Amino acid sequence: SAVISQKPSRDICQRGTSLTIQCQVDSQVTMMFWYRQQPGQSLTLIATANQGSEATYESGFVIDKFPISRPNLTFSTLTVSNMSPEDSSIYLCSVVPLYGYTFGSGTRLTVV
Amino acid sequence: GQQVMQIPQYQHVQEGEDFTTYCNSSTTLSNIQWYKQRPGGHPVFLIQLVKSGEVKKQKRLTFQFGEAKKNSSLHITATQTTDVGTYFCAGVSYNTDKLIFGTGTRLQVFP
Repeated sequence: SAVISQKPSRDICQRGTSLTIQCQVDSQVTMMFWYRQQPGQSLTLIATANQGSEATYESGFVIDKFPISRPNLTFSTLTVSNMSPEDSSIYLCSVVPLYGYTFGSGTRLTVV
Repeated sequence: GQQVMQIPQYQHVQEGEDFTTYCNSSTTLSNIQWYKQRPGGHPVFLIQLVKSGEVKKQKRLTFQFGEAKKNSSLHITATQTTDVGTYFCAGVSYNTDKLIFGTGTRLQVFP
């Protein structure tokens, strides 16, 4: 299965600033997915990132707040912009190599 | 939109007891997947079910996909402390490749 390197693993950020999360996959994949997991909650899909096209955002998530880049088939970034304490969550990227989704180890974000 | 619910939300069992979590989708699914997330960890893929009525086993874990492909269950026989974590079902509907996670069941096993 694919191996995903996600960084940073955690960060503490000031409100109003932005953080960019990176995911690097060890193989080429068509789609990459970004999820958010708020404390004690399930995973919520933020957007689907396809190489060469605009990301597709789920209801409640907008590009201005969560811009995504997908420059090639092995890499994607998610930026959390103009952060507020409500953005404190774990952010995970995932891919579907062949069978089942593989997740990055997650980025634990705390906004103070 | 598509919703995937799981019950119970929490389950505390004595080591050696059995455990079952149930998953229900608001839409028919092309496949359903199960994940385990240990405290502080990320979700780890356990299994995928595709066929109506499918049953799969992994040692003490039994997974079942309903006939209508809208529900699923995970049963653990004789739980161990290593089974502690949150179990998520996640479904893919026919008209999208998006994986929608269930609400999760947190399992605590007391020795």
